[in-house]
Amino acid sequence: QKEVEQDPGPLSVPEGAIVSLNCTYSNSAFQYFMWYRQYSRKGPELLMYTYSSGNKEDGRFTAQVDKSSKYISLFIRDSQPSDSATYLCASLNRDDKIIFGKGTRLHILP
Amino acid sequence: DTGVSQNPRHKITKRGQNVTFRCDPISEHNRLYWYRQTLGQGPEFLTYFQNEAQLEKSRLLSDRFSAERPKGSFSTLEIQRTEQGDSAMYLCASSGPGQGYEQYFGPGTRLTVT
Repeated sequence: QKEVEQDPGPLSVPEGAIVSLNCTYSNSAFQYFMWYRQYSRKGPELLMYTYSSGNKEDGRFTAQVDKSSKYISLFIRDSQPSDSATYLCASLNRDDKIIFGKGTRLHILP
Repeated sequence: DTGVSQNPRHKITKRGQNVTFRCDPISEHNRLYWYRQTLGQGPEFLTYFQNEAQLEKSRLLSDRFSAERPKGSFSTLEIQRTEQGDSAMYLCASSGPGQGYEQYFGPGTRLTVT
């Protein structure tokens, strides 16, 4: 079992819809959780990180962590075609190494 | 913009040749990481430095791979005797001390071994 599991998609939604991206993780010791956005043939871009359980909001993006169920979510409101990318969820292990999921490919349809 | 930079952006080489990649981190960051990403996968950790000290190496990093960060600033990743399986995107990231949760990535070097 991979430490961070993520459905690779692709996920297609119409412009303006709310997008929900999800991951699960297996290591209960993980405390930091991150979401990265990666455009084709580019490096990952840090969107936001959260510590432990709870919500964090940044503009149209909301990250949510539920440590009891080991579930990580990213919500995108008012989705735009420019949001089309691969979204990587990740956790930081005790050695400060990032463990990434496979990424979910998101397409926002105009 | 003083983000992480990587050179070259693309490298095509023949099997058996040696290649070297360079990473320049964000100037105030003392930690530098190398990751490898293949198609359809998330990045996988290879190694990382705190200042000039290489603190950890992944099992993915065979003896043909070597990384250096001689003055605690830029870093190089060398692959000797390249194999087709080395074809991947090599990503560099940096972070401040104790801020591994806030790693900033460069654009990557895409390696193709023919």
